This record gives sequence, structure tokens and C-alpha cells, in this order.
Amino acid sequence: QQPVQSPQAVILREGEDAVINCSSSKALYSVHWYRQKHGEAPIFLMILLKGGEQKGHDKISASFNEKKQQSSLYLTASQLSYSGTYFCGTGYMGAQKLVFGQGTRLTINP
Amino acid sequence: DGGITQSPKYLFRKEGQNVTLSCEQNLNHDAMYWYRQDPGQGLRLIYYSQIVNDFQKGDIAEGYSVSREKKESFPLTVTSAQKNPTAFYLCASSYGGTGGRYGYTFGSGTRLTVV
Repeated sequence: QQPVQSPQAVILREGEDAVINCSSSKALYSVHWYRQKHGEAPIFLMILLKGGEQKGHDKISASFNEKKQQSSLYLTASQLSYSGTYFCGTGYMGAQKLVFGQGTRLTINP
Repeated sequence: DGGITQSPKYLFRKEGQNVTLSCEQNLNHDAMYWYRQDPGQGLRLIYYSQIVNDFQKGDIAEGYSVSREKKESFPLTVTSAQKNPTAFYLCASSYGGTGGRYGYTFGSGTRLTVV
């Protein structure tokens, strides 16, 4: 079953913060985050594994809430280059593939 | 450098014609996937393969076919049975089904248009 991402779209000014959520109705084993620019390939950002860890690099980080079966992606002091569509991919125990959310479109304006 | 290559970048198909999209990877990944992406939409899984000579249908396999004769290659054929093939097609690969610790690597995509 497809994870649900929220919001579907968000528009920010450069320097503002954003949070994108990914919720699953099944027990999660892992969550991947990807960013896709228009007409390009999705790029892998990070993976979070069951255990509630928080990861990040630079001003992009993510958390994994096992109780809520949810992951959140945090973009701090957003830059123009952060614009794109963000997808979460959820992994489940014993599954052979990820299941991707419908995407969140992030627009950063100067 | 290791990576995943899709070709061609743009492809035009006439009505009733079969076309084949190429996907090659030199990452030594076991698993490979084909996704379809329509404008403003997410990634819908067409087919995936965990090992050579084996593949499974995804959510929207009707009108498509694949083969996995070599570890490096996973071509997708869009048949005439696919009535609405105009879309952006993405190929991906990974070490395991859920991407291990390194995630999926995606190709740069093929944009298919019916003329």
C-alpha cells in the first residue's frame, strides 16, 4: 500500500524551513528519501532504518518515528537548489521492493 | 565511473508499433526496476527483477514486457497493447530489493511519445 506524503506541494522563500511527512499504514522497516528535478532522474538523499534514528547532511535531515510509522524530512534555511519533487520510498520486512509515495513538490522562490 | 544508462533519451512511437527501451548498469547491482511517470505524478512500478532470468510484474505491467538475460541489462518493450504509452520511463537498480543502505540508483530516463 502506497505511503501518504504531506503536503502535496509547498512554496517557500529562500531561507525558510520546510517539513515533508511520509506516513505508512504498515509497520516500516526502512524509509528512503529522493529528490527529483523536472525531467531528471530522482537522486537518493538518505535512508533511515527501523530504530528511530535521525540522519542528515548539510541542512537536510530526516527522522523515523516507529510508533507513528512515519518519517519526516526537514529542509532548513532552504536554498534555490532545493526545489524539486521529493519522494519517500518505504521498505517493509520481507518485501522485495520499495513502495514510493506520490511526491511533494517544493518550490523555493528568491 | 559506475552508473546506469538509459537510451534513447527521446523516443517516438507510431500507433501499433512495439518499441524497446534500453537500460544498462555497471554497478554490479542484483535488482533492477522499471517505473512509469506521468506529468505531475509519482513513480508507478511496471516490472522488477531480483536476479538474472527472473522478473515479476509491478502495478501496471499490462502492455509491457521485459527480459533479464544479463545482470547488467533490463530492457523494456512497450507493446502495441499499451494504449496510452506517452510518459517518462525511469529504470533503476539496487543491491537488494529495498535498496540496502545505498538506495536505488536511477537512470536519466526515456521520454516516449506516441505520434
